[in-house]
This record gives sequence, C-alpha cells and structure tokens, in this order.
Amino acid sequence: SQQGEEDPQALSIQEGENATMNCSYKTSINNLQWYRQNSGRGLVHLILIRSNEREKHSGRLRVTLDTSKKSRSLLITASRAADTASYFCATRYFGNEKLTFGTGTRLTIIP
Amino acid sequence: EAGVVQSPRYKIIEKKQPVAFWCNPISGHNTLYWYRQNLGQGPELLIRYENEEAVDDSQLPKDRFSAERLKGVDSTLKIQPAELGDSAVYLCASSLDAVWEQYFGPGTRLTVT
Repeated sequence: SQQGEEDPQALSIQEGENATMNCSYKTSINNLQWYRQNSGRGLVHLILIRSNEREKHSGRLRVTLDTSKKSRSLLITASRAADTASYFCATRYFGNEKLTFGTGTRLTIIP
Repeated sequence: EAGVVQSPRYKIIEKKQPVAFWCNPISGHNTLYWYRQNLGQGPELLIRYENEEAVDDSQLPKDRFSAERLKGVDSTLKIQPAELGDSAVYLCASSLDAVWEQYFGPGTRLTVT
C-alpha cells in the first residue's frame, strides 16, 4: 500500500503549546497535502508542499521535510481551542493522480 | 463563492433499499470526486470525474454502486441495494484539476439498519 501514515494517532496538548504531527510515505511523491476535519464536517485544505520544497509556512502552520525518513511534519504553533480536530495528510505519488489519505491524527487542545 | 454542496446530510435506510446522494461542485471545477469515509479512517476514493468522464472508478464496487455526472457539473452516487457495511460518510469534493488541492462538501452520513 502506498498509503501515508500519520503519527501520532492522537495528541492532547495545552492551549498555547505547539503541536507536531508526522506523515510518512513509501515512494517518491509529487506533493503532500494536509487537511483538517472538524467533527461532523467535511475536510478543509490547509497547506500543500511540493516534492522539491523543504519547508513551507502558512500562518501558524509549518510543514517541514525529512527526506532520509520519507516523512513530513506539520507543526501548529501557539495552539488554540479551535484547532481541536482531526488532521489528515494526503499524498500524491508520481505517475498517479489519485490522492491517498492517511488515517489521521486526532488533536485535542485543552483550554 | 459557494462551496461544494451535498444532499441529503443524513440518511437512514434499511438494508436492501436503494439510496442516492447528490453533489454540486464549486463552479468552474472540472474534477469531481466521491469518497467514502469510515469511522476513524481517512477518506477513500470511490470515483473521480474529469468533466463528465469517469477517469478512475477502480475502487467503486460496481455490482451495487453507480455514479453519473451529467453535463460535467452535478453528480449523483447511487447504492442499490444497500448493505450494512455501506454505513459511512460519503464525501464529495471538487478541484480545478487533479493535481492541486481539493474542496470538500459536508458529506452525507449514511446509516444502513
């Protein structure tokens, strides 16, 4: 399976702390995307990073690349209660236009 | 700009009954996707359309599932007959093309009893 895998499966932190989630993949990717899903809602696109980018920022979000581990991390800085949601990484592999989603990280921000 | 619209939001049916879901994508988006999301899992692609052509339906259980996208805009996904294992959230998404970010609708939560 080419499915990306998120780590950890669940994460609880205090409001104001930083949250880090990792997404691993198995083969060469075209791009990697992160989505957020609030309970009972659809997914919302957060950020996209291309294979030739090592880091990307968007507001309080930062995505970094570790090519040795075939892993990309999503960092949410200065977390807020509203950040409580499930976060999914989605991977597009070269030669395949299908977007493959992982199983998600359930993030809980404690006020 | 209106987002992806789906209806109904919730549906409860008995097994062996038919059910249909409807999706209206974002205006101008050529690519439309139907996903199924089981509890605690990520979405899994069922079918992808480029305009009115189904270009990837390899994960669609064709014995009971069917889909169409008339005139390359709205789309319907049908299950006939429904089975207990079909209980899930069915998500519709659209994008300008297949490479970049996708925009999701709120989903239809299907319960088969």
